[in-house]
Parts: sequence; C-alpha cells; structure tokens
Amino acid sequence: GNSVTQMEGPVTLSEEAFLTINCTYTATGYPSLFWYVQYPGEGLQLLLKATKADDKGSNKGFEATYRKETTSFHLEKGSVQVSDSAVYFCALSDQGAGNMLTFGGGTRLMVKP
Amino acid sequence: NAGVTQTPKFRVLKTGQSMTLLCAQDMNHEYMYWYRQDPGMGLRLIHYSVGEGTTAKGEVPDGYNVSRLKKQNFLLGLESAAPSQTSVYFCASSYGTSAVFGPGTRLTVL
Repeated sequence: GNSVTQMEGPVTLSEEAFLTINCTYTATGYPSLFWYVQYPGEGLQLLLKATKADDKGSNKGFEATYRKETTSFHLEKGSVQVSDSAVYFCALSDQGAGNMLTFGGGTRLMVKP
Repeated sequence: NAGVTQTPKFRVLKTGQSMTLLCAQDMNHEYMYWYRQDPGMGLRLIHYSVGEGTTAKGEVPDGYNVSRLKKQNFLLGLESAAPSQTSVYFCASSYGTSAVFGPGTRLTVL
C-alpha cells in the first residue's frame, strides 16, 4: 500500500534560517505529492503540490521537487519567519484510489525571533 | 463561497452516546472524505465518497458510518461512541488532485 514518512519534529529554528523537512514515500502507482500546512487551531491548507516526476511545487517561498528516483519530496525554504510556525504534512494522492490522500505524521516547526 | 464547513466545532459525548457530524461543500466537488487526526499519527482516512449515493471504507472505518444523500453533504455517524474515538475530525472535498479541508470538529468521548 501507499505510505508517507516525514521527519519527526519539533524543528526549532531562528528567524531567517534555512528550512528542510524531509519526506519520502512509497506508492504502487504514479502519485501526486503535496505539502499541507496547519496553523494552530485551524484546518489544513494546501501549501504546494507536484503531479509528476521532476516537477517543482512552490508557494510563499517554500519549494519541493518531486524526485522519483529517490521517492522523495523534501520541503525547503531559504529564510523562515516567525509566521511560518505551524505543523507541516507531506501527503500523496493516488488517482486510482478515489484521489484519497495518504499523510505523513506531520512535522511541527517552531521559529523563534 | 464558503468552501468546506463542518458542524459542530466542538462536542463532548459520554461513552455509548451517538452523534452525527455534518460536512457541507459549495464547490460542486465529486469526492468527499472524512479523516481523523491524532497526535503523532497525521491524518487517517475513515470513509470517503466518489459521488452522490456512494461511500467506501478508508483506513480506519470501524465504529463509524457515513452517508452521501446529496452531493454537497457528507455525514459521519458514531452509533455508540467510545473513548478511542476522541479525536479531531476533518472533512475534505476534491475535484482532481487537490483537496480542500474544513476547519475540523474536536470530539471528546468521556
């Protein structure tokens, strides 16, 4: 079956530091890959996505590249802000299975001023 | 355009009580989903629907039932609540590859 593994948190960084959150996946088909963000007390919001190998998703300074050869989709940002503090979820969607999302366990990011 | 809404936002039940969570979307999406979120476990799929009148089991369906009588609504029912069902429940809908999530329902079963 499908599965997603992401680095455990919490990740604590100082403002303007470089961020990497690792994500690897296992899938039987050709999934789409996503990063969702959850701010405290809120639901999940789509941050970025990539639908095929070598695609790069980007949004709000965050980037992730779909690497089929390493089955990875690592999230990066060059300079984090306090407002980026949240829980980040890596996920995949298999079109052959009702487009349902399979999530990783989530990584809490804390950015200190 | 409200997106995905969930009712109620919070609920406390006693063991054995029943309740229904309502999810509504106004985006004309075909697919709808119910997930539960537990600490350290991400989100796990309970049930999903690929269209009006259809439902299917997800990863953790036991103890839950669902109905999709109207395209815009997806109901999640707990017939006899148990403490293990204490969780935050999220509904989502999608068309294509991207899903839109509701704000969540925090359920506590005593």
